[in-house]
Amino acid sequence: DGGITQSPKYLFRKEGQNVTLSCEQNLNHDAMYWYRQDPGQGLRLIYYSQIVNDFQKGDIAEGYSVSREKKESFPLTVTSAQKNPTAFYLCASSIDRSLPQHFGDGTRLSIL
Amino acid sequence: ELKVEQNPLFLSMQEGKNYTIYCNYSTTSDRLYWYRQDPGKSLESLFVLLSNGAVKQEGRLMASLDTKARLSTLHITAAVHDLSATYFCAVDLRNAGGTSYGKLTFGQGTILTVHP
Repeated sequence: DGGITQSPKYLFRKEGQNVTLSCEQNLNHDAMYWYRQDPGQGLRLIYYSQIVNDFQKGDIAEGYSVSREKKESFPLTVTSAQKNPTAFYLCASSIDRSLPQHFGDGTRLSIL
Repeated sequence: ELKVEQNPLFLSMQEGKNYTIYCNYSTTSDRLYWYRQDPGKSLESLFVLLSNGAVKQEGRLMASLDTKARLSTLHITAAVHDLSATYFCAVDLRNAGGTSYGKLTFGQGTILTVHP
C-alpha cells in the first residue's frame, strides 16, 4: 500500500547531539513537509520541499536542517542548536502544493 | 502573517447533542482543510473546502466555508463517543494571483470529548 513512513517512532537525544528523523513516501508526491507539534498545540511548519533538490524554511526552521536528494525521501535533522527539541514531529506529503497533505504516523523526540 | 484561530479549544459534549466548532483566519484564502487527530496518532484528512460557500458532509460531521467572513465551521450532529478527538482546521495561503504558497497554517486545535 502507498503511504508515508516515519522512523523511528520514538527517539531520544542527548545534550549536544544531532539526530535525524526519517521520512519516506511511495506515493510519488512532489511536495513534502515537516511539522512540529507541542502538547496541546497545533502544528507548526519547520521546512517544506516542492521538488527534489529544493526546499524552503517554514515558520520555525532555526535549529533544524533538511535535504531532498530523492523524491521519496525528506529527512529532518534536529541539531544541537535546537534547545527545546522535545515534541511530536510529523512528516507530510502532497501530490502538489494545491492538494491535501497526507501525514505519516509521527516521531516522538525526547531529551535524555 | 496568516493567523488561524479555532474556538472553542475544549469542547465537552453529551452524546446525541449538536455543536459547532469555528475556525477564523486573518487573510484572504479560498482553500481550507479540516483534520482529525486521535491521541498520540497522526492527522487524518476530513474535508477539503475549495471555494466560497463550499459545504461538505460525512456522517455526523458537516464543514462549510465562508471566504468573505474568513470563517469555516465544523458542525457535529447527534454526537457519539467515537467522535472524541482533536480537530484542526488549516488554511492554504495564496498570493494575489491565486497560486498557493504550498504550506498550511494550522489552528490550535479543538479537543472534543463526547460523554454519555
